[in-house]
Amino acid sequence: DQQVKQNSPSLSVQEGRISILNCDYTNSMFDYFLWYKKYPAEGPTFLISISSIKDKNEDGRFTVFLNKSAKHLSLHIVPSQPGDSAVYFCAASASGNQFYFGTGTSLTVIP
Amino acid sequence: EAGVAQSPRYKIIEKRQSVAFWCNPISGHATLYWYQQILGQGPKLLIQFQNNGVVDDSQLPKDRFSAERLKGVDSTLKIQPAKLEDSAVYLCASSLVTQDEKLFFGSGTQLSVL
Repeated sequence: DQQVKQNSPSLSVQEGRISILNCDYTNSMFDYFLWYKKYPAEGPTFLISISSIKDKNEDGRFTVFLNKSAKHLSLHIVPSQPGDSAVYFCAASASGNQFYFGTGTSLTVIP
Repeated sequence: EAGVAQSPRYKIIEKRQSVAFWCNPISGHATLYWYQQILGQGPKLLIQFQNNGVVDDSQLPKDRFSAERLKGVDSTLKIQPAKLEDSAVYLCASSLVTQDEKLFFGSGTQLSVL
């Protein structure tokens, strides 16, 4: 039962352009959402988060948007850099309980 | 600040054998997590400790998996006996407090069961 879904396994973007990574969830009780970034042979590292009381959170080149009615969130990276090439996981939790992770999207930023 | 340490990095065993993984969290982090990540899937929580007590082990296959965190610091995860479907990366993570968004992950142990 996959409660968090990332339907695009991979994405390629030119350097300097915008990368948009999408995530859908099914559990309406989820109230906290995270994005993690993972390089090969390393563990995931925290990138950015958003609470359900907000619809947008921005940190430098990274912005996460939350659409609660559509149960959808997206991560925007502007401008994309080659160092952003990694696998991105979204995760969600309800009331501070365990996080459910999506299957990941592999982003390749082409120089 | 030292990160989350895990060992070994890789392990290859035959089915029905036993295996153990070790994790040392970031100093001072009260909460420790073990995740299983099967190829093509996202990490799935196996067990969560708060200090040396278990907070959540609802997804731990208790007939073959066990974990302990003696003294509330480092932790071991054991599989006995292993099955083919246990092939995965086992990730350890820690956080300062429970319900903290900032999980710090180790590099993981890649297990192959043949």
